[in-house]
Amino acid sequence: AQSVTQPDIHITVSEGASLELRCNYSYGATPYLFWYVQSPGQGLQLLLKYFSGDTLVQGIKGFEAEFKRSQSSFNLRKPSVHWSDAAEYFCAVVASGGSYIPTFGRGTSLIVHP
Amino acid sequence: GAGVSQSPSNKVTEKGKDVELRCDPISGHTALYWYRQSLGQGLEFLIYFQGNSAPDKSGLPSDRFSAERTGGSVSTLTIQRTQQEDSAVYLCASSYSQGDTEAFFGQGTRLTVV
Repeated sequence: AQSVTQPDIHITVSEGASLELRCNYSYGATPYLFWYVQSPGQGLQLLLKYFSGDTLVQGIKGFEAEFKRSQSSFNLRKPSVHWSDAAEYFCAVVASGGSYIPTFGRGTSLIVHP
Repeated sequence: GAGVSQSPSNKVTEKGKDVELRCDPISGHTALYWYRQSLGQGLEFLIYFQGNSAPDKSGLPSDRFSAERTGGSVSTLTIQRTQQEDSAVYLCASSYSQGDTEAFFGQGTRLTVV
């Protein structure tokens, strides 16, 4: 079965600073990969996804993520963080040849200082 | 509707009572998922419906939990004889098909068992 690890429970950055949120997965083949964001009291919103092809994917709100097969990673990045980016971020994996049920990481809480 | 709708948004119940949580997915979406999100935890998969296939119930934590999906649309998650550890946010999501498409999430039902 696939699994997802988000090693950072909390990340604190200053507004305008760059951001990288880490995500590692465990799966025998290339999975489908997703990043979601959850604002307080809200459901999850898709930021970006990777299925195949170009390993650098662009998403909404200025986010991007890079799939690195050799490291089994799919880290989320943003060059300049805005205060409105403060939220919970979830990485998810779907087994491309399996049950098609998204498996989520524990999430990383992003705190943005003015 | 325009998005996934869940009701109620909040539910407070006494220990030992039964509760029903409702999810109205996006029209035309064949896949429907239920997840549980406890404080500080990631999303715990509960159950998955895909079209007319038998649901994947592998995530249900006990036989007190059950779910059904009527007519391939609305789903109800039922928790019998609620316990305090059932307190969590219950999230429903739907997608157009399985696996490689975006899962759209509702805003969740916050269940508090007192």
